[in-house]
Amino acid sequence: DGGITQSPKYLFRKEGQNVTLSCEQNLNHDAMYWYRQDPGQGLRLIYYSQIVNDFQKGDIAEGYSVSREKKESFPLTVTSAQKNPTAFYLCASSIVVTGSLGEKLFFGSGTQLSVL
Amino acid sequence: QKEVEQDPGPLSVPEGAIVSLNCTYSNSAFQYFMWYRQYSRKGPELLMYTYSSGNKEDGRFTAQVDKSSKYISLFIRDSQPSDSATYLCASKLYNNNDMRFGAGTRLTVKP
Repeated sequence: DGGITQSPKYLFRKEGQNVTLSCEQNLNHDAMYWYRQDPGQGLRLIYYSQIVNDFQKGDIAEGYSVSREKKESFPLTVTSAQKNPTAFYLCASSIVVTGSLGEKLFFGSGTQLSVL
Repeated sequence: QKEVEQDPGPLSVPEGAIVSLNCTYSNSAFQYFMWYRQYSRKGPELLMYTYSSGNKEDGRFTAQVDKSSKYISLFIRDSQPSDSATYLCASKLYNNNDMRFGAGTRLTVKP
C-alpha cells in the first residue's frame, strides 16, 4: 500500500537531548513537509523540501533541522535549542505542480513528542 | 490576525443533522481552498478541495467558497457518528508554496 510512515508513534525527550523523527513515503512524491500541531493552533509549517538535497524553512524552523538525502525520506531532528518541543508532529508529502507545491497533502499518522 | 480563522468548537449534533463548518480568511489572493478531516491522534486526510469561488459536492459533503466575503464552508448532510472528527480548513495561493491552516473544529455526532 502506498503511503507515509512516521515513527515512532510516541517519543520522549530529556532536557538537552536531540531526538529524530522518521518519515518515509512510497508515493513517489517530490515534495515533503513537516508540520507541528498544538491544541487550538492548527498546523504550522516547520520545514519543507521540493527536491532531494534541498529544503526550505517554514514559519517555525528555529530549534529544528532536517535532511533530504533520498526522495523517500525526510527525517526531522528536534534539537535542544527547541525549548517547547511537546507537540504532535505530522509529516506530509505532495506532488509538485508547475514548480510549486501541490494543494493535496498526504499525511502520516503523526508522532507525539513529550518532554520528560 | 491569523490568515485563516476557524471556530474550534466543539460542535455536537444528533445523528442525521445537517452540519455547517465555517472559516474566514484574510488574504484575498488565496485561490485553493481545502477541507481536511482528522480523527483523534491520526494524520489529516483531504476531504474536499476547490479552486476559486463556487460549490463542490461529493456525496454527503458540499464545500462552498465565497471569495467576495472571504468565507469558506463545509456542509455535511445526514451526519453520521463516523463523521465525528476535527475538520481543518486550509487555503493556498496559486503557484505558491504557502498553505495556511485553520485551527480546526471538533465535531461530535451523537447516535
